Amino acid sequence: EAGVTQFPSHSVIEKGQTVTLRCDPISGHDNLYWYRRVMGKEIKFLLHFVKESKQDESGMPNNRFLAERTGGTYSTLKVQPAELEDSGVYFCASSPRVVHEQFFGPGTRLTVL
Amino acid sequence: KQEVTQIPAALSVPEGENLVLNCSFTDSAIYNLQWFRQDPGKGLTSLLLIQSSQREQTSGRLNASLDKSSGRSTLYIAASQPGDSATYLCAVRRGSYIPTFGRGTSLIVHP
Repeated sequence: EAGVTQFPSHSVIEKGQTVTLRCDPISGHDNLYWYRRVMGKEIKFLLHFVKESKQDESGMPNNRFLAERTGGTYSTLKVQPAELEDSGVYFCASSPRVVHEQFFGPGTRLTVL
Repeated sequence: KQEVTQIPAALSVPEGENLVLNCSFTDSAIYNLQWFRQDPGKGLTSLLLIQSSQREQTSGRLNASLDKSSGRSTLYIAASQPGDSATYLCAVRRGSYIPTFGRGTSLIVHP
């Protein structure tokens, strides 16, 4: 069974540009989560999808971040326009049920110059 | 608000040593506690998951203990190997599904 995959693995963009990160959860997992780790800090929750619906987006830092999960399969996280402080590693995780263990992807390392 | 602290932040040991990584949390009303390993460029690999009703979990050379009342967990690694070099993260879940992570312990095991 394939694990959670994320694309791209690395992205380097300039301040003001737009970047879209993609996450493909484990097949059949209704729950999809986005997390972010800024250098030197702990991993922090961004938002949670149940199928195509946003269950909890309390961790989204501001309205420059937009997450979607059309059709309840893969998800995208768009940052527009990107700022320097958005640099970090963005992780995606999925689980079959909310109380179940979450399985993490390899992350996308975003660098904003 | 749950806070998770991991000590030490970094550790460098010679191969073969037994070592202990520490994780402390401020709110003892947890659902479970999980230890992860993160290799550079890789995702988080779950090592051990301890439910709130459990005291410890073992997997191979790894043993994790949980003391809810004192808000502590330890990850014991026996006979460390260079391949154990990675960042080790502790995460606790309360009633919600959102884990709170520590900042991790960066471990280097040198031959």
